Amino acid sequence: DIVMTQGALPNPVPSGESASITCQSSKSLLHSNGKTYLNWYLQRPGQSPQLLIYWMSTRASGVSDRFSGSGSGTDFTLKISSVEAEDVGVYYCQQFLEYPWTFGGGTKLELK
Amino acid sequence: EVQLVESGGGLVQPGRSLKLSCVASGFTFSNYGMNWIRQAPGKGLEWVAYISSGSSYIYYAETVKGRFTISRDNAKNTLYLQMTSLRSEDTALYYCARQDNWGQGVMVTVSS
Repeated sequence: DIVMTQGALPNPVPSGESASITCQSSKSLLHSNGKTYLNWYLQRPGQSPQLLIYWMSTRASGVSDRFSGSGSGTDFTLKISSVEAEDVGVYYCQQFLEYPWTFGGGTKLELK
Repeated sequence: EVQLVESGGGLVQPGRSLKLSCVASGFTFSNYGMNWIRQAPGKGLEWVAYISSGSSYIYYAETVKGRFTISRDNAKNTLYLQMTSLRSEDTALYYCARQDNWGQGVMVTVSS
């Protein structure tokens, strides 16, 4: 199985500052079709996960442009510019290159 | 608007069975592969099972293989998860999910 490893945030993050969350995969998620099979989700307190980014860097419909995804085949970053109160929650990276889908352990964002 | 509404959860004794349902609306259900993903209390996300749009391809996590069965009825826009030989470690919030949309989840508690 592909192992997904997420980094921690130096919480709490001051409102208006930027935050970057890292994620590493144990296998390259870059497919021969040129797409990288990596999603980012945000789970706000008491809610189900919401898709933020797919194909490593494509924002999902309705997602603020303050969120951006980047990376290589095995190292990925979710950047949140100008953190706001609504960004509080747990962020998960997830690979969908192959089954079983696997998730990172989650990175909690707290606001100062 | 895409909606996924799970039902069928509850408290069940170890070794017993339970069947979850997920009714989909707002999209052409028969065009999409679907997943069950679970989250134990206070823990991260664990993918459980996948079924392709026409039920030709089915995959399970090793932790549930042989005990859980995923199925669907495209005429009823409904996804199912039949769970047998339940264990305490199956206690979790179970989400029905397309990749880009998740339901609110249904709680399954396995305890004597």
